[in-house]
Amino acid sequence: GENVEQHPSTLSVQEGDSAVIKCTYSDSASNYFPWYKQELGKGPQLIIDIRSNVGEKKDQRIAVTLNKTAKHFSLHITETQPEDSAVYFCAANLYSGAGSYQLTFGKGTKLSVIP
Amino acid sequence: ETGVTQTPRHLVMGMTNKKSLKCEQHLGHNAMYWYKQSAKKPLELMFVYNFKEQTENNSVPSRFSPECPNSSHLFLHLHTLQPEDSALYLCASSAEPGLAGGGETQYFGPGTRLLVL
Repeated sequence: GENVEQHPSTLSVQEGDSAVIKCTYSDSASNYFPWYKQELGKGPQLIIDIRSNVGEKKDQRIAVTLNKTAKHFSLHITETQPEDSAVYFCAANLYSGAGSYQLTFGKGTKLSVIP
Repeated sequence: ETGVTQTPRHLVMGMTNKKSLKCEQHLGHNAMYWYKQSAKKPLELMFVYNFKEQTENNSVPSRFSPECPNSSHLFLHLHTLQPEDSALYLCASSAEPGLAGGGETQYFGPGTRLLVL
């Protein structure tokens, strides 16, 4: 079935290093790919998103790349800080029938930034 | 603050109880969603409402009953739940209901942590 695969499930990095999280999707018609950050006790918060008409988008220390041919997209966090520690989810809008698209999420990556 | 609030934040209930979860969005959005988040599983979409009309029901058991009286409020009525229903229940809203070929940004509330004993 339609799904979104996310890797790795856990990631530990030293403060100041970069972190990369990768996702693949199955529906070639998907055209919207958001990333969410979820801290303990909170709901997922949108941190960056990308649409299929661009290959890369950057917002300060966060960047997302998209390869539509290979159907994968990645989140890059540079100069990581302890406050970046959280669970990160990727998502893709997948066709759900009757002209409707819904978001399908990956299983999440628990990022730990070690001071 | 995302503009989506949920109450209660925590709920403990027995299998014979009836309770309701409430969600309110202050963003002027047209679509609202209920998700279930269990440990080590992806977020599971349960229900979608678009302009107060239910447009998606992802084979959710009838012990979960949604209600959307208007575009700003969404409820999830719970009755005779099972222990495996224990999870974080998240509400979200978006401006567009997922039009063909369109993207949409969903904004989540903080969730209700539910424990069924």
